[in-house]
Amino acid sequence: DIVMTQSPDSLAVSLGERATINCKSSQSVLYSSNKKDYLAWYQQKPGHPPKLLIYWASTRESGVPDRFSGSGSGTDFTLTISSLQAEDVALYYCQQYYSTPPTFGGGTKVEIK
Amino acid sequence: EVLLVESGGGLVKPGMSLRLSCAGSGFTFSNAWMSWVRQAPGKGLEWVARIKSKPDGGTIDYAAPVKGRFTISRDDPKNTMYMQMNSLKTEDTGVYYCATGLVFDYWGQGILVTVSS
Repeated sequence: DIVMTQSPDSLAVSLGERATINCKSSQSVLYSSNKKDYLAWYQQKPGHPPKLLIYWASTRESGVPDRFSGSGSGTDFTLTISSLQAEDVALYYCQQYYSTPPTFGGGTKVEIK
Repeated sequence: EVLLVESGGGLVKPGMSLRLSCAGSGFTFSNAWMSWVRQAPGKGLEWVARIKSKPDGGTIDYAAPVKGRFTISRDDPKNTMYMQMNSLKTEDTGVYYCATGLVFDYWGQGILVTVSS
């Protein structure tokens, strides 16, 4: 199974500042035939199901604000919130869908400083 | 609007069984890959099982901790997916979500399963 490791476990950022979450996979999730990284990011607020933010490592889901961006390839990925808003307080998970079983990172809790 | 509604959760003793259902609407259910993802209290997300669409072969996969105990199935005319959970263990306790797609683009609200003596 591919192990997904997120860092940090939690971070506190001032409103309007940048938040950066890292995700590392134990093996590459880049599929050579189509040059796509099989990596997604989700946001989960307390008492709610996860919400898809980013797929193919950097494609924003419809309706997701453009302050959310994904980057990286192969085994190292980043989710960036360019200007943190109060409504962005949540848990964030990365997930690989390159191979079965799909696996999630342990989550990163984003709070307001 | 895509809607996924889980049902069938509850409190059971270890060793007992439960059947979860996930009813979908607002999309072409028969073409959708469907999964169950669970979340233990205060913990992260864990994929449990997936059933592909019949046009894509209907392949079924399970996570190692549930293989041999859980059975996923689908009834496309009823737009419903099921998961029969047998020989339940305390570590199966959590919120169970159904979700669509290779990437989990739509999620239900979740249903609580509690396994406790």
